[in-house]
Amino acid sequence: GENVEQHPSTLSVQEGDSAVIKCTYSDSASNYFPWYKQELGKRPQLIIDIRSNVGEKKDQRIAVTLNKTAKHFSLHITETQPEDSAVYFCAASGSNAGNMLTFGGGTRLMVKP
Amino acid sequence: KAGVTQTPRYLIKTRGQQVTLSCSPISGHRSVSWYQQTPGQGLQFLFEYFSETQRNKGNFPGRFSGRQFSNSRSEMNVSTLELGDSALYLCASRAHTNTEAFFGQGTRLTVV
Repeated sequence: GENVEQHPSTLSVQEGDSAVIKCTYSDSASNYFPWYKQELGKRPQLIIDIRSNVGEKKDQRIAVTLNKTAKHFSLHITETQPEDSAVYFCAASGSNAGNMLTFGGGTRLMVKP
Repeated sequence: KAGVTQTPRYLIKTRGQQVTLSCSPISGHRSVSWYQQTPGQGLQFLFEYFSETQRNKGNFPGRFSGRQFSNSRSEMNVSTLELGDSALYLCASRAHTNTEAFFGQGTRLTVV
């Protein structure tokens, strides 16, 4: 089955700096890669996703890049703000596994004002 | 459109008991997945149902089971509860393969 590894597990940055979270996946058939943000005590919510036919996607201060050959994808957050502090999860799924989303272990991002 | 609803929000059970959790997906979503979230283990996949059929199953013991009804509502059951089953149980619904999964607020289960 799919295995997703996520690094780092914790990340501390100063407000205004950039943050990068990296994930690798094992199943070359995976073709959908979402990122979720989970604030303390709340449900995970999708912040951005990318499909395997695209190498990069941006949404304001958030971007995701995908390298299918190397089987890794990354989340980039620029101009970080204190409200970006949360746990971020990457995930992967592919048509071979139906709707099964396999999540990485999560990254706790702390943005210091 | 109403979001994913999970009931109850909180549960306290004793070791050895069983528990049933409920999830109502977004209207029109036929896929419902269940995840166990613990501080050290992240989001662990339990199972996924689509049109009343279990399509995928994670690596959990047989004490964990689920089902889906014709209206897409899903239940998961945990029998013979153990202390280690204490966790936040999240369900998520999706409209189609490889689209956004919408999570419910979760049910926090505490086993004492």
